[in-house]
Amino acid sequence: DTEVTQTPKHLVMGMTNKKSLKCEQHMGHRAMYWYKQKAKKPPELMFVYSYEKLSINESVPSRFSPECPNSSLLNLHLHALQPEDSALYLCASSQDLRVTEAFFGQGTRLTVV
Amino acid sequence: AQKITQTQPGMFVQEKEAVTLDCTYDTSDQSYGLFWYKQPSSGEMIFLIYQGSYDEQNATEGRYSLNFQKARKSANLVISASQLGDSAMYFCAMREGRGRGSTLGRLYFGRGTQLTVWP
Repeated sequence: DTEVTQTPKHLVMGMTNKKSLKCEQHMGHRAMYWYKQKAKKPPELMFVYSYEKLSINESVPSRFSPECPNSSLLNLHLHALQPEDSALYLCASSQDLRVTEAFFGQGTRLTVV
Repeated sequence: AQKITQTQPGMFVQEKEAVTLDCTYDTSDQSYGLFWYKQPSSGEMIFLIYQGSYDEQNATEGRYSLNFQKARKSANLVISASQLGDSAMYFCAMREGRGRGSTLGRLYFGRGTQLTVWP
């Protein structure tokens, strides 16, 4: 099983809303990632967690708040987003940070109105 | 400087033919890894193949093979016997080093190549 599950698949939110994206894997991976992808562009790294600790924050605005409550679960809390934050948000996982395979979820298509 | 360069924004291939997608990389690390991903219009990034810098053999996974030329810093993806379902965006990516602190875990992506397979 190489499945990374993301929910919801689609999300429309207003600029004053608070919402969360969820990512789950049951492969025993200890590294998890959030990427943001705009249309026709490559994914851009946002956050990396290793053994439930934040390892990399790519200077992401504080309106994005990641959380890793356990080794299988990764959340991305959203608050006061801007329309330019509309994008595909991809979660990924790997065995650890010495990546030889990284599996992505199907993504959440976020629209901020 | 770009760490991953994909020079073909779009490629077209007829069904059942083979196609090569180009990727060159730039790193000063001795230990690194190279990846290819497929992204259909649905959005999911599908892991295809991995090549480690110390691997002596070219990686293969079914119809996918990675033509790894270390001296030329190239890692081209070869898809044999193309199928209509292969139409998608293809990304080449690289992971650097095994002990470089904050860069561990980071994947650098190229801009992608849009492959279209026609009947």
